[in-house]
Amino acid sequence: QKEVEQNSGPLSVPEGAIASLNCTYSDRGSQSFFWYRQYSGKSPELIMFIYSNGDKEDGRFTAQLNKASQYVSLLIRDSQPSDSATYLCAVKRGGSEKLVFGKGTKLTVNP
Amino acid sequence: DADVTQTPRNRITKTGKRIMLECSQTKGHDRMYWYRQDPGLGLRLIYYSFDVKDINKGEISDGYSVSRQAQAKFSLSLESAIPNQTALYFCATSDLQGTSGGKTQYFGPGTRLLVL
Repeated sequence: QKEVEQNSGPLSVPEGAIASLNCTYSDRGSQSFFWYRQYSGKSPELIMFIYSNGDKEDGRFTAQLNKASQYVSLLIRDSQPSDSATYLCAVKRGGSEKLVFGKGTKLTVNP
Repeated sequence: DADVTQTPRNRITKTGKRIMLECSQTKGHDRMYWYRQDPGLGLRLIYYSFDVKDINKGEISDGYSVSRQAQAKFSLSLESAIPNQTALYFCATSDLQGTSGGKTQYFGPGTRLLVL
């Protein structure tokens, strides 16, 4: 089983809709969870991080974490064409400095 | 000015050549990382460094070496480049003392390397 799994997509949503991006991880010792956005040919940029079970909201973005199910998701409300990018889920084990990345989900928001 | 810079941004080289990719940061972070990104394989860690005297191998260090010349500089070398090292290379930094993001990593703009 891969350490961090994401649906590669592409995920296509209409402008204004909610985009839901999902990530599962295999290491139960994982404690920190990150979502990065990467535009084509550009570097990953951090959108959000979450440590605790539940929801964390930042503007149009909501991260959801369920450690029992080993599942983390990112919701993007009122999706815009500028949100079209690849979204990378990354997981860090407690006591480790290494981020383990999923392969990313490509999101396309159609005008 | 960008907080994390990488040089060169693009490089074409031939099999067997030695090349160096450089990373500099003005964020004052103590931890630095080198990743490569390949289509379909995601980001994979090559080496990381907690300070000038601390270098650690990542998951794919074979064929690579690094040098931490100063807190702000971390270089990646390919001693004898081969075509399967063609990839997009990213440097990243994080802060031991950072309280936000749990030592979130911040990425440089990347170096696109083509080995012929």
